[in-house]
Amino acid sequence: DGGITQSPKYLFRKEGQNVTLSCEQNLNHDAMYWYRQDPGQGLRLIYYSQIVNDFQKGDIAEGYSVSREKKESFPLTVTSAQKNPTAFYLCASSIASSRSYNEQFFGPGTRLTVL
Amino acid sequence: AQSVTQPDIHITVSEGASLELRCNYSYGATPYLFWYVQSPGQGLQLLLKYFSGDTLVQGIKGFEAEFKRSQSSFNLRKPSVHWSDAAEYFCAVGLGGFKTIFGAGTRLFVKA
Repeated sequence: DGGITQSPKYLFRKEGQNVTLSCEQNLNHDAMYWYRQDPGQGLRLIYYSQIVNDFQKGDIAEGYSVSREKKESFPLTVTSAQKNPTAFYLCASSIASSRSYNEQFFGPGTRLTVL
Repeated sequence: AQSVTQPDIHITVSEGASLELRCNYSYGATPYLFWYVQSPGQGLQLLLKYFSGDTLVQGIKGFEAEFKRSQSSFNLRKPSVHWSDAAEYFCAVGLGGFKTIFGAGTRLFVKA
């Protein structure tokens, strides 16, 4: 079955720690995205990547970092510089065409809690 | 500025009743329009999408949506709601390229 996997499902972080959220897709999609979801808010874009070894900041990139060394993988690191990291994080992917850029397929999410 | 508004934070309908979830957007050009559904603690699943052509689009799970350019709306409808439809629904607007704006969501409760 093709899809997007995220791990772990739940993650707890102590203040001052960096943590990395995993996202893997086997849909052969070129574009991948990271979103943050907070209660009562829509999704906010953290980073996106159009192609391997390239990524761009989204609307709320401060305190986060990403890498795209393989087409299938787009890990997100939440650094200690992110002051309020407790949230639900969603990874998504899409094929790279002019209209399908925006039709995204989502993973099941990772809930990060800062202790 | 581009925006997506879902005016209803939550809606409660009886099982078997009809449903309409509202979505209004602000964007200068014809957007790409989407409805997604999210079950608690899960990712988003695409219900339907509008790119061009017929303004009434059919989606999965018996949902449909109508694009009304004059009203900048893309409301989601279902003629008969099932208890399994209880979830949060997000309207989204694609602006071209990699930018998608999501509404804040409408949580649907279904009562027996």
